[in-house]
Amino acid sequence: DIVMTQTPLSSLVTLGQSASISCKSSQSLVHSDGNTYLSWIQQRPGQPPRLLISKISKRVSGVPDRFSGSGAGTDFTLKISRVEAEDVGIYYCMQATHLGTFGPGTKLEI
Amino acid sequence: QVQLVQSGSELKKPGASVRVSCEASGYTFTDYAVNWVRQAPGQGLEWMGWIDTNTGNPTYGQGFTGRFVFSLDTSVSTAYLRISSLKAEDTAVYYCALGMFDYWGQGTLVTVSS
Repeated sequence: DIVMTQTPLSSLVTLGQSASISCKSSQSLVHSDGNTYLSWIQQRPGQPPRLLISKISKRVSGVPDRFSGSGAGTDFTLKISRVEAEDVGIYYCMQATHLGTFGPGTKLEI
Repeated sequence: QVQLVQSGSELKKPGASVRVSCEASGYTFTDYAVNWVRQAPGQGLEWMGWIDTNTGNPTYGQGFTGRFVFSLDTSVSTAYLRISSLKAEDTAVYYCALGMFDYWGQGTLVTVSS
């Protein structure tokens, strides 16, 4: 089974500053179809999860361009520029190349 | 617009069964698979598996075989999660999520307590 790890597990940031979350998988997430099914999911307090980014770097419609994803193979990063109060929550990376696995989550606080 | 509406909270005794529904609207139901995700109190997200809405074929994640069953009623664009022989550790919020997790239901809290 694929194991997803995230660092840090908790991040305290100042409004307007940047935050970065690393996600590593125990195996390459490149699918046989050539895509890499690595997504980033946000869960604000008391709310259902919400997809932010799919296939490493494709922002979902309506997601601010302050959110960006990068990486390849087994190493991925979510960067949040100019952090705003509404960004508070838990961020999960998630792979769907080999069935499905979520990372442990990173709690973003301001 | 795409919507996934889940059934309401449930309180069950250990050993009982529960069925959670996820009614889809705003798109062609068979165009996307439905995933199920569990979130225990204060814990992270856990992928339970998915069901192919074209064939009805389910795929279960590790730890979700046996007591967990995914099913469909395409005539009403609804996916179901049934959990049997409930245990206290099944207490969680259960989410359905569409396709590659593009859309999520609001979640259903299942509480198992005597």
